[in-house]
Amino acid sequence: QVQLQESGPGLVKPSETLSLTCTVSGDSISPYYWSWIRQPAGKGLEWIGRIYLPDDTIYNPSLKSRLTMSKDMSKNQISMKLSSVTAADTAVYYCARETPVPGQRWFDYWGQGTLVTVSS
Amino acid sequence: ERVMTQSPDTLSVSPGERATLSCRASQSVSSGLAWYQQKPGQAPRLLIYSVSTRATGIPARFSGSGSGTEFTLSISSLQSEDFAIYYCQQYDNWPLTFGQGTRLEIK
Repeated sequence: QVQLQESGPGLVKPSETLSLTCTVSGDSISPYYWSWIRQPAGKGLEWIGRIYLPDDTIYNPSLKSRLTMSKDMSKNQISMKLSSVTAADTAVYYCARETPVPGQRWFDYWGQGTLVTVSS
Repeated sequence: ERVMTQSPDTLSVSPGERATLSCRASQSVSSGLAWYQQKPGQAPRLLIYSVSTRATGIPARFSGSGSGTEFTLSISSLQSEDFAIYYCQQYDNWPLTFGQGTRLEIK
């Protein structure tokens, strides 16, 4: 059974960088596409970006200038960094696995999510 | 960007009745449409992909239909565990986008 677990600081100061890690168990991360998705309290879902290979990433244009995603095959982890955060970046952040079915981009496995609050 | 708009925002239905949720895309998304269910404090769960294909383990009372820009999720004979928030997601185009959600509540 594939399991995803997000981790990182729950509180980040404005203008600083938000860093999160998703640890995957039950399968290797290497053959799959992995996305980050966030959800402000009481609001809908926003897709942040996805990574396959270290140089194969697609980012949401709304976040692209501030976003970096990476993979660590040795630790079976994916990570994201979002710079220059503001209160608008406060949300629950999820990592999710994209289905391996070619041409399909829906999410079959999700982490439980981690709340990140941006506040001084 | 494909903007996904769901209606209604909140739907009140009695257990045992049928619920019909709508999702509209600002431009055609072909058949690249999925539905998720989210309960409080939980991650979304995949229900439907490719407009009408149920994900593994999803009961037959859940069905999806539509094409192009208009899509529907139907839940026949609502069970207590079905009351939740439902999101549609398009994956035909980047960036991937979700609807704002429809809250299905007990009448």
